[in-house]
Amino acid sequence: DVKVTQSSRYLVKRTGEKVFLECVQDMDHENMFWYRQDPGLGLRLIYFSYDVKMKEKGDIPEGYSVSREKKERFSLILESASTNQTSMYLCASSLLRDTEAFFGQGTRLTVV
Amino acid sequence: KQEVTQIPAALSVPEGENLVLNCSFTDSAIYNLQWFRQDPGKGLTSLLLIQSSQREQTSGRLNASLDKSSGRSTLYIAASQPGDSATYLCAVGNTDKLIFGTGTRLQVFP
Repeated sequence: DVKVTQSSRYLVKRTGEKVFLECVQDMDHENMFWYRQDPGLGLRLIYFSYDVKMKEKGDIPEGYSVSREKKERFSLILESASTNQTSMYLCASSLLRDTEAFFGQGTRLTVV
Repeated sequence: KQEVTQIPAALSVPEGENLVLNCSFTDSAIYNLQWFRQDPGKGLTSLLLIQSSQREQTSGRLNASLDKSSGRSTLYIAASQPGDSATYLCAVGNTDKLIFGTGTRLQVFP
């Protein structure tokens, strides 16, 4: 079974802090994604990556950056956390562009 | 711009009923359509993937159909159980990403 693991289930951070959310997949997938999920807005794509050291902006990249130094690991970085970044963050991976996507368990981030 | 809609937003049924969840999308140029389940506070679990060239997929009590020309997919759940209670999300694979509907929250009561 494909496993996508996010480093934390819950995080509480202060406004202005730099925050790192880590995601690791164990199936040698090419593609990795970061989404955030908010009530009434659904899942929105922040960033995605098709290969090591490659990244593409999604629909809402402002205030975020990403890093993919190794194929299995995709990190989401909040450069200076703000309260409007309080959300559920979901990482996903897929082998190719048109294959099944698998999600991690989610990280509930609260910025105070 | 691709838009994905799920109807109904919420559904409550007694155990044992067969039910249908609906998903519609505006742009038929999709790679695939995927159905997910999400339990409260958890991540998404993949249920079924239908490629654009396929008409349906089945897994156990679940059957998903795809009609690209009309921009519709349905998820059929047979003999529902309380353990099926969750939010069900559909997502269309479109160019570089998955575009999600806002989900149907299903409650199956004993």
